[in-house]
Amino acid sequence: DTEVTQTPKHLVMGMTNKKSLKCEQHMGHRAMYWYKQKAKKPPELMFVYSYEKLSINESVPSRFSPECPNSSLLNLHLHALQPEDSALYLCASSQDASGGTDTQYFGPGTRLTVL
Amino acid sequence: AQSVSQHNHHVILSEAASLELGCNYSYGGTVNLFWYVQYPGQHLQLLLKYFSGDPLVKGIKGFEAEFIKSKFSFNLRKPSVQWSDTAEYFCAVNLYSGGYQKVTFGTGTKLQVIP
Repeated sequence: DTEVTQTPKHLVMGMTNKKSLKCEQHMGHRAMYWYKQKAKKPPELMFVYSYEKLSINESVPSRFSPECPNSSLLNLHLHALQPEDSALYLCASSQDASGGTDTQYFGPGTRLTVL
Repeated sequence: AQSVSQHNHHVILSEAASLELGCNYSYGGTVNLFWYVQYPGQHLQLLLKYFSGDPLVKGIKGFEAEFIKSKFSFNLRKPSVQWSDTAEYFCAVNLYSGGYQKVTFGTGTKLQVIP
């Protein structure tokens, strides 16, 4: 199984809402990632978790709060978002974040719209 | 900081034409290089990757790429494209820094193959 799943596929939320994005993989990978992809732009790294610990935070605003409850799950909690946060949020996983040669496997993404 | 540039933003080819997509990166150290593809409505998938050894790497679906260290390039090629190759192609550089890997994507090239 080389699949990374993400729920929900689409999410529409107001600026005062609190919502969460979920990501799951069952490949035994110990590194998981959140990316943000705006229309017609490449994915931009937001967070890296390695062995369930936050390793990299690319200066992401605090209204985005990641959580890794176990090695298979990765959440992104959203609160007080702005319309400019509307984007495709991609989750990825790889065997190990420390190797430098790992292939990242991507999920289909959650299309987020902030009204 | 590392960066990746893709020269062609939108390429239109007829079926059976040859393809070459350019990718240049800016980093003087050791890098690991990838090409990802995103078919319409699908998630990012790995086409091929280069870590070391033979600079000419072969990937899935008849794609290949050549790493030329002196030119900081990793161009993607296919001798004869098919309509099903219509997709967006991203070059990516994986830099191992501070104990963790960090992937930077190029801006992407949208390939449209006309039957």
